[in-house]
Amino acid sequence: GAVVSQHPSWVICKSGTSVKIECRSLDFQATTMFWYRQFPKQSLMLMATSNEGSKATYEQGVEKDKFLINHASLTLSTLTVTSAHPEDSSFYICSAEPRDSGTYEQYFGPGTRLTVT
Amino acid sequence: QQQVKQSPQSLIVQKGGISIINCAYENTAFDYFPWYQQFPGKGPALLIAIRPDVSEKKEGRFTISFNKSAKQFSLHIMDSQPGDSATYFCAANAGGTSYGKLTFGQGTILTVHP
Repeated sequence: GAVVSQHPSWVICKSGTSVKIECRSLDFQATTMFWYRQFPKQSLMLMATSNEGSKATYEQGVEKDKFLINHASLTLSTLTVTSAHPEDSSFYICSAEPRDSGTYEQYFGPGTRLTVT
Repeated sequence: QQQVKQSPQSLIVQKGGISIINCAYENTAFDYFPWYQQFPGKGPALLIAIRPDVSEKKEGRFTISFNKSAKQFSLHIMDSQPGDSATYFCAANAGGTSYGKLTFGQGTILTVHP
């Protein structure tokens, strides 16, 4: 149990275009999902917290107009990178905590590799 | 104050040996300390986690030792295997308004030689 999927697993796009990444909890509901960014050989940096039915909250320094987050249901959150540029190339990972678990345990998706050319 | 400092950056262990990774934190509001294992190109997988009301937790070959007064915690991998070769991250979470927001350590690349 506690499986989180992401789609696509990798994407290449041209500079100036937008890319949408989906994060789904497959066997549990999650009122909160989290989006992280990871550069090669570096740690995970929290970008934003995605809340079902309300606006996402962004960490300091993350452009909310560039990284649009929508938590459409208890099993789906999407991250849209708008007007992507080469510096947005990174590994994007989502995580989710089972609803009402109270355990703090988060389960991570497999990640999405974004390359902007 | 939100940082979690992890060491060493890389670790080489022989098969069957013990791998030890250490983390230290400053924020006394942290109350949940998980360890994650990440293989290249994959998302992190939860290995084991501990809360500050216990000093040790063991699950199979993985043990977390927690020292609340020193604000340190460590992961011990007993009988290390080549399949354990991966990057390991410690993390910490505080409740309240920071609920769910994990702060990660810098990561340790573990290599287990056969």
